[in-house]
Amino acid sequence: KQEVTQIPAALSVPEGENLVLNCSFTDSAIYNLQWFRQDPGKGLTSLLLIQSSQREQTSGRLNASLDKSSGRSTLYIAASQPGDSATYLCALMDTGRRALTFGSGTRLQVQP
Amino acid sequence: DADVTQTPRNRITKTGKRIMLECSQTKGHDRMYWYRQDPGLGLRLIYYSFDVKDINKGEISDGYSVSRQAQAKFSLSLESAIPNQTALYFCATSPHPASGRDEQFFGPGTRLTVL
Repeated sequence: KQEVTQIPAALSVPEGENLVLNCSFTDSAIYNLQWFRQDPGKGLTSLLLIQSSQREQTSGRLNASLDKSSGRSTLYIAASQPGDSATYLCALMDTGRRALTFGSGTRLQVQP
Repeated sequence: DADVTQTPRNRITKTGKRIMLECSQTKGHDRMYWYRQDPGLGLRLIYYSFDVKDINKGEISDGYSVSRQAQAKFSLSLESAIPNQTALYFCATSPHPASGRDEQFFGPGTRLTVL
């Protein structure tokens, strides 16, 4: 059974800092990995998707990496802004059901 | 217009009541999913459907049932609601794997409170 862990559970940084969110998983037989953003009381917004055969994806100030051999993914946020404040969720898609297994998230607060 | 919609957005009910949560999508996707989110536990899979005639249980299906009325509609029912089913419920869709993209798209969620 896939288990996904996100560290840290919460993070507070001053505006402008670069930061890294971590995601680790136990089963490397994945189809893809998605990073989501969730704002309080809102739904999930997909940020980046990395296919199993890929090592990283970039979108604007966001960069996500995938290392299946070590069971790890990182989400790098450059030059953080207060608008980046949200909970960030890592999710792994299995190869059979194509369903997602989620981590419990990292709650990010960027101080102005 | 939202591609994945959920109704109601908020619902308060009492123990023992039957509740239906509805999900509709205009994305034309074959696959639909129901997840629940509890504080500190992330999202967990309740049921999923690959098409109208293919419905499967997820990790936490006990106490829930689903109906896929059409390609675009997937409903989740709580036959007799209990307080520990209080949670945020999300519907998601994804295209057929033959499309080459297995990204999931989520609805806005339904906040359910069972008293």
